[in-house]
Amino acid sequence: AQTVTQSQPEMSVQEAETVTLSCTYDTSESDYYLFWYKQPPSRQMILVIRQEAYKQQNATENRFSVNFQKAAKSFSLKISDSQLGDAAMYFCAYRSANTGNQFYFGTGTSLTVIP
Amino acid sequence: KAGVTQTPRYLIKTRGQQVTLSCSPISGHRSVSWYQQTPGQGLQFLFEYFSETQRNKGNFPGRFSGRQFSNSRSEMNVSTLELGDSALYLCASSLSGIYGYTFGSGTRLTVV
Repeated sequence: AQTVTQSQPEMSVQEAETVTLSCTYDTSESDYYLFWYKQPPSRQMILVIRQEAYKQQNATENRFSVNFQKAAKSFSLKISDSQLGDAAMYFCAYRSANTGNQFYFGTGTSLTVIP
Repeated sequence: KAGVTQTPRYLIKTRGQQVTLSCSPISGHRSVSWYQQTPGQGLQFLFEYFSETQRNKGNFPGRFSGRQFSNSRSEMNVSTLELGDSALYLCASSLSGIYGYTFGSGTRLTVV
């Protein structure tokens, strides 16, 4: 089974500053999808950004961008101009392109935004 | 457009009882997946249903089961509850998983 590792259990950032959350994964597949999800205290997981493995270009969604390094199996999330509303648990997730709709999640990084 | 609706939001059950959780996906989404979230194990995949058929199953004992109805609503059932089944159960629906899931707010199950 694929494994997803988030090595930073907790991170903090000053409001308006930039923070990068790390994620690595282990797979023998060449075609897959990667995601970052945010889980605020309300519990609902919210999709932040997605990346297709076959695309070399890094995905960007407003203040959120990724650094996808396929050879290194690394998929980090950069949050620019951090806002108080960004405080949440962030989960990295992997989905194979071939073995169905099962996501593998990392253990999460708790992000605190300091005013 | 309504989101993914899970009911109930909170549930307290006694060890040995059984429980049924409900999930209504986003209209048009035929794939519904269930995850168990605990502080120790994180998010673990339970199963996925697509057009009333179980398409994928995670590594959980047979006490965990589910089904999907013709309107795509899904239920999951846990029989003979154990203390270790206390968790947040998340339901997620998708049009196609390659675009990611939309999650519900979960059902917090406490087994006492």
